[in-house]
Amino acid sequence: DVKVTQSSRYLVKRTGEKVFLECVQDMDHENMFWYRQDPGLGLRLIYFSYDVKMKEKGDIPEGYSVSREKKERFSLILESASTNQTSMYLCASSLLGRRQETQYFGPGTRLLVL
Amino acid sequence: GDSVTQMEGPVTLSEEAFLTINCTYTATGYPSLFWYVQYPGEGLQLLLKATKADDKGSNKGFEATYRKETTSFHLEKGSVQVSDSAVYFCALKDSNDYKLSFGAGTTVTVRA
Repeated sequence: DVKVTQSSRYLVKRTGEKVFLECVQDMDHENMFWYRQDPGLGLRLIYFSYDVKMKEKGDIPEGYSVSREKKERFSLILESASTNQTSMYLCASSLLGRRQETQYFGPGTRLLVL
Repeated sequence: GDSVTQMEGPVTLSEEAFLTINCTYTATGYPSLFWYVQYPGEGLQLLLKATKADDKGSNKGFEATYRKETTSFHLEKGSVQVSDSAVYFCALKDSNDYKLSFGAGTTVTVRA
């Protein structure tokens, strides 16, 4: 079974702090994704990566950056956390290819910015 | 761009009731369609998928048929259980894209 793990289930940070969210997958997937989930809005894509050191902006990249130094690890960085970044963050991975690949999700990190 | 619209919740049902969650989509290409489920405190899991028109996806008693003529992918289950209480997301992926586009999610609560 594919396993996607996220470094924390819950985080509390203060406004202006730099925040790192880590995601690791164990199935040698090329694609990795970061989404945020907010009530009534579903999931919105922040960034994705299709290879090491490659990244592309999703629908809502403002205020975020990412890092992919190794194939299995994809990090989301909030350079200066703000209260409007309080949310559930979900990482996912999938095989390279386009049409019917399933994305596998981690358990999520619930971030509260005070 | 691509988008997904699913019925708003929350939906509350009694055990053994019939469940339908409506999902319609807008896409320029030939998308694959998915239903994901999120149980309380967990991440999303794939429930079922369909990759072309008239395909039926099914899993755990749930079914959905890819209807190109009505651009729909409605989720159905004939007899729900308490353990089906979850948030259900409809999603699509265009054939030329990496990313999934999600609906807003529908919260379903099944009471014993």
